Amino acid sequence: SQTIHQWPATLVQPVGSPLSLECTVEGTSNPNLYWYRQAAGRGLQLLFYSVGIGQISSEVPQNLSASRPQDRQFILSSKKLLLSDSGFYLCAWSIIGEQYFGPGTRLTVT
Amino acid sequence: AQSVTQLGSHVSVSEGALVLLRCNYSSSVPPYLFWYVQYPNQGLQLLLKYTSAATLVKGINGFEAEFKKSETSFHLTKPSAHMSDAAEYFCAVSDIQGAQKLVFGQGTRLTINP
Repeated sequence: SQTIHQWPATLVQPVGSPLSLECTVEGTSNPNLYWYRQAAGRGLQLLFYSVGIGQISSEVPQNLSASRPQDRQFILSSKKLLLSDSGFYLCAWSIIGEQYFGPGTRLTVT
Repeated sequence: AQSVTQLGSHVSVSEGALVLLRCNYSSSVPPYLFWYVQYPNQGLQLLLKYTSAATLVKGINGFEAEFKKSETSFHLTKPSAHMSDAAEYFCAVSDIQGAQKLVFGQGTRLTINP
């Protein structure tokens, strides 16, 4: 069966520091991969998606970037965090339209 | 462009009562529709999906939803609420083309009163 992992689970980082969040999927090949952010009390905002290795599409201009160095690995990065980057970051994968979500990373920028 | 509107950011029902969470969608192509549930500090779990087969869809935990094209609705129901149903519920629409992106509603927080 398929499994999706995210780490770290929680992260507290100062403003201006770099960020790297990792997501890996097991048990499937060539999935579509997605990064979402969920701000406090708000819905889910799609940040990036990828339909293959090295193929990244950005949904909104922001302080973040994404990379897909391997088929089942998706990384979310920032060179300098802003206070507004705080939130709950969710990774998801899909094959035939259904998206399956990881456990999330709670990021607090101080 | 696709969009989803969830009517009511908060819904409160008594234990054993009917649960009704409302979702209306807008889509220029035949939609695929989903309901997800999120418990505090966890990821989203798929409750059920509509993919152009039966209009009444049954999901996990006793939930079901009915696709009504004429009303562009996909409301989520459960006959009898349990305390464990307290969570945030998200309706989402996808066109199942290309990147298969989901567009989510803003969510409805369900509270169950004892």
